[in-house]
Amino acid sequence: GIQVEQSPPDLILQEGANSTLRCNFSDSVNNLQWFHQNPWGQLINLFYIPSGTKQNGRLSATTVATERYSLLYISSSQTTDSGVYFCAVIWRGGADGLTFGKGTHLIIQP
Amino acid sequence: DTGVSQDPRHKITKRGQNVTFRCDPISEHNRLYWYRQTLGQGPEFLTYFQNEAQLEKSRLLSDRFSAERPKGSFSTLEIQRTEQGDSAMYLCASKEDTEAFFGQGTRLTVV
Repeated sequence: GIQVEQSPPDLILQEGANSTLRCNFSDSVNNLQWFHQNPWGQLINLFYIPSGTKQNGRLSATTVATERYSLLYISSSQTTDSGVYFCAVIWRGGADGLTFGKGTHLIIQP
Repeated sequence: DTGVSQDPRHKITKRGQNVTFRCDPISEHNRLYWYRQTLGQGPEFLTYFQNEAQLEKSRLLSDRFSAERPKGSFSTLEIQRTEQGDSAMYLCASKEDTEAFFGQGTRLTVV
C-alpha cells in the first residue's frame, strides 16, 4: 500500500510564528486532504488539494503531485491553531478510503 | 444540513459485550466510510459504502465487526464480543465525489 509520512512529528512555537508542515507520499494519489484534529477528536477540513496551491486566510497549502509531497503553511500562529494536523491521501492503485499520516502535533504557546 | 452525525459520542462497555454505533452522513453524499483511530495514530480505513453496497473492507475489519447501510442513508457499525483492543475512536465520513467530511466520532472504551 501507500506510505504517508508527515514531518515534523512535534512542533512547539510561540504565538505569531510561522510554520511549515510537510507530507510525503510514496505513490501516485487521486486525492489529498489536510485536516486539523481538535482536542475533542473532530477532524476539521482545511484543504482538498490533490495538486496546486490554495489559500484560506492564514493557512495555505501546496501539493506537487509529480514529486509526491504536500506542504501546509500556517502564518501568524494563534493558540487556537494548536492540535494535530493530518495529511491524508487516496492511493491511485488502491481502495477508495483515505490513508492518513501519523500527524504533526502543533503546540502554540502564548 | 449540519454535517456528519455520529451516535453515541462515548460508549463504555464490558469485555465480551456487543456494541453498535450509528452514522448519519451528509444527506446528498452517496459514499460513507468508517475509520478507527487509536491514541497517537492517524485514522485507519475500515470499510466503505456506495449507496447501500459495501464495496471495500480493510483487513483490519475482523469477523467480529459488521457494517450495514440498509437504505443507502445512515449506517451502523457493530462490534461483537468486544475486546480491550477494540478501545478506540470510531470515525465516520461521507463524500459525494472528492472531499470527505468527518463526524465527531464515537469513543469506545472496553473495560
